[in-house]
Amino acid sequence: GAGVSQSPRYKVAKRGQDVALRCDPISGHVSLFWYQQALGQGPEFLTYFQNEAQLDKSGLPSDRFFAERPEGSVSTLKIQRTQQEDSAVYLCASSWAGGLNQPQHFGDGTRLSIL
Amino acid sequence: ELKVEQNPLFLSMQEGKNYTIYCNYSTTSDRLYWYRQDPGKSLESLFVLLSNGAVKQEGRLMASLDTKARLSTLHITAAVHDLSATYFCAVARNSGNTPLVFGKGTRLSVIA
Repeated sequence: GAGVSQSPRYKVAKRGQDVALRCDPISGHVSLFWYQQALGQGPEFLTYFQNEAQLDKSGLPSDRFFAERPEGSVSTLKIQRTQQEDSAVYLCASSWAGGLNQPQHFGDGTRLSIL
Repeated sequence: ELKVEQNPLFLSMQEGKNYTIYCNYSTTSDRLYWYRQDPGKSLESLFVLLSNGAVKQEGRLMASLDTKARLSTLHITAAVHDLSATYFCAVARNSGNTPLVFGKGTRLSVIA
């Protein structure tokens, strides 16, 4: 079946522009996670949802970052007034609600470059 | 605050040799994961370890978990070039379906 789909794969924006990154999770996956991965580092948690409820947004770096999942399926991560330090790969992952032995399934990510 | 440390961060090994990657974490957790990442690609799940003493094997890779020592190992047997990648361990922050805290990753190069 289809995996986690993210778009766009690459995004280049000028400093100060707003960007929106999309994540389409695996069908039936209740939980959806956003991570930020800087070059040469491990992914770092940003925020996550259970269905449409945003349960934790403690990892969002600033109030310029906003995420939503209005119908409990597709999610959008929005970054307003982008800064150069926002340049990173943004990874989305989804997982099934039941079964502790299930991994989080990751998309290919969106590589964001801020000029 | 949960912290996850991996070592080594870089590993260059010859084909046919064995080696172990270590993952330590700072607070109790009920799940530990190992992922593989190829350059420019996403993370591929390798193992999910749930209980103390858990051991899982897939091909030339074997992962184990010691929850008392808060230590997991990823052992590579008779390395081949195709295993060259970055390997991450990740630990669940809380019980249930919760975010993961990742280590910095171990970049493995297998050379002839």
